[in-house]
Formats: sequence, structure tokens, C-alpha cells
Amino acid sequence: ETGVTQTPRHLVMGMTNKKSLKCEQHLGHNAMYWYKQSAKKPLELMFVYNFKEQTENNSVPSRFSPECPNSSHLFLHLHTLQPEDSALYLCASSQDVGQGHEQFFGPGTRLTVL
Amino acid sequence: AQSVTQLGSHVSVSEGALVLLRCNYSSSVPPYLFWYVQYPNQGLQLLLKYTSAATLVKGINGFEAEFKKSETSFHLTKPSAHMSDAAEYFCAVSDRAGTALIFGKGTTLSVSS
Repeated sequence: ETGVTQTPRHLVMGMTNKKSLKCEQHLGHNAMYWYKQSAKKPLELMFVYNFKEQTENNSVPSRFSPECPNSSHLFLHLHTLQPEDSALYLCASSQDVGQGHEQFFGPGTRLTVL
Repeated sequence: AQSVTQLGSHVSVSEGALVLLRCNYSSSVPPYLFWYVQYPNQGLQLLLKYTSAATLVKGINGFEAEFKKSETSFHLTKPSAHMSDAAEYFCAVSDRAGTALIFGKGTTLSVSS
């Protein structure tokens, strides 16, 4: 595997389910990110991790719970979601946060909440 | 505070025509600027980035962008559009304070034959 991988690619869940999204980067980067991409809305930064420590949480509802056990893996735990949470969830990584370091994106997980 | 404005949510061109996608930024310090492309059902892919080494930046797939400080712009161009260029394009800015990228709302490029 190379680059940034995300699993699953598609997920359908009910509002009472609990599920997790997984992201893995094979680039040796120190920073990882979760974004939400909804139709007709700008890309929304959700969380930023740098050296496994969360450095940004952009007022994300508590039904989204991130976990970063090491610099290569990032999870997004989901519970009691709402239909408006249906979106493409993108994971990205970069060498470090900011300072001109480009972000490398995974293919995303298409989430549908029924 | 940083921000990015992409003028035109949708641009349509004919195959072989010039592509021009506009991006204006706001930053209190010299910024880093990026253009990303997203094809359907895929993540974002870096096209090019400006890091102050040169004002004209060449990227992949024949795209280039010019940093114009006086106009606070970083427009993306390609001399001749190809059908495979149809995608969504995002401009992004980062300042030197170590913050994450700020993305524009995106521009959808359509290419007709």
C-alpha cells in the first residue's frame, strides 16, 4: 500500500449504529487530518493531529470521536449520527502542520446515514 | 485571518480552449498557496504549490499558476483543455504560522467536445 488509504470506501448506517472509519498513511508523516465534504458546501476541516496529539477541533459534535494511536493511523468513531452527517469523509496527512507542507489525501469514505 | 475566494463555482470550456480558474487569497503574511484537483469519487490530488521560490509555478497535467502579490491572486491556467481535465478544483492557502490549509469552495470545470 502506498500513500493514504481509507476503509471502508462506502458505509451505510442507521442513526443508532456505532461504526468507525479508518485511515492509514504510508508516507512517514507527522500530521493527520479529518475533513467532511458535503454536497455544495466547502471542505470542512474537522480534526488535526500532530505527533498523535490533537491540535485542532473545529467545533465538531461529540457524536464524532477521533482517535490517533500513532502517527500512521487515524480513526473516526461514529455514534448516533444524523442524516445531515451523510457526506464524504476525507483523511489527509502532511509532513508537519502548515509551513507550506502539502497534504496528501485518501480516497474518502462515502457515508450515508439513514 | 486567512481566506480564499474562488470566483465562479462552475466553468465550462471547449476541448482545446484555454482554462482559467480564479483564486484570490487574503493573508496578513506571505502565504503558501496550493491548487488541488478532485475527480469524481476520489480524494484531492495536489496540482501545484507556491512557496515563494518563483512566481510562476508549473504543475502536473500541463497546469500552471502565477502568484501576483499586487492582485492577491493565484489563478490556475492551462493552454489547451482536455476532456480528462473535467473535475473539481480547489485553491488553498496556508500562512507561515503553522496552521492547517484553508480551502476555497471549489470550481467545477466542464470540458465539452
